[in-house]
Amino acid sequence: LAKTTQPISMDSYEGQEVNITCSHNNIATNDYITWYQQFPSQGPRFIIQGYKTKVTNEVASLFIPADRKSSTLSLPRVSLSDTAVYYCLVARNNDMRFGAGTRLTVKP
Amino acid sequence: GAVVSQHPSRVICKSGTSVKIECRSLDFQATTMFWYRQFPKQSLMLMATSNEGSKATYEQGVEKDKFLINHASLTLSTLTVTSAHPEDSSFYICSAIAGSQETQYFGPGTRLLVL
Repeated sequence: LAKTTQPISMDSYEGQEVNITCSHNNIATNDYITWYQQFPSQGPRFIIQGYKTKVTNEVASLFIPADRKSSTLSLPRVSLSDTAVYYCLVARNNDMRFGAGTRLTVKP
Repeated sequence: GAVVSQHPSRVICKSGTSVKIECRSLDFQATTMFWYRQFPKQSLMLMATSNEGSKATYEQGVEKDKFLINHASLTLSTLTVTSAHPEDSSFYICSAIAGSQETQYFGPGTRLLVL
């Protein structure tokens, strides 16, 4: 199991860039790194997924160093609606256990 | 994109009754689905892995006779909470695997309240 470690919480202000880092020291060769966003009383929503280097989509970027032992989710210019819990998931052989996640609070 | 639905979105039942929750993959086939439970302010707790055509694999501490999982088709998995008690009240979420990178997509969740 590729256990993940994230900061429990983070605060930011509207318009700032937010970077959330996840540690996954025992990631396996075939593992992908996936980030999810969850609002209260909703299922997690897929944000971005990557294997190495950098991945970018319309909502976020994902930075993965060469050793892949960590990853950083970057949210550009956050708004109040980005207040949520963010989870990184490193899955192996369908072992889909989540870590504690990071509770991001965006302030006006 | 891959869409997963759940039904019902919320249910209230009396203690001792059974409740069935359905999880459907709407635009893809899923040989593997997952069931999670989430208590307030906590992370998702994996309950079981549901495999189409075979028995589910339960996480340690999850009673398989209480949480019955059936994955009879490639688009439907059901979770039945048998003889529900107030401590079973929780938010139940399912997910399904899609794509070559085995991305997990989640349903909207089902809020269960046992009185």
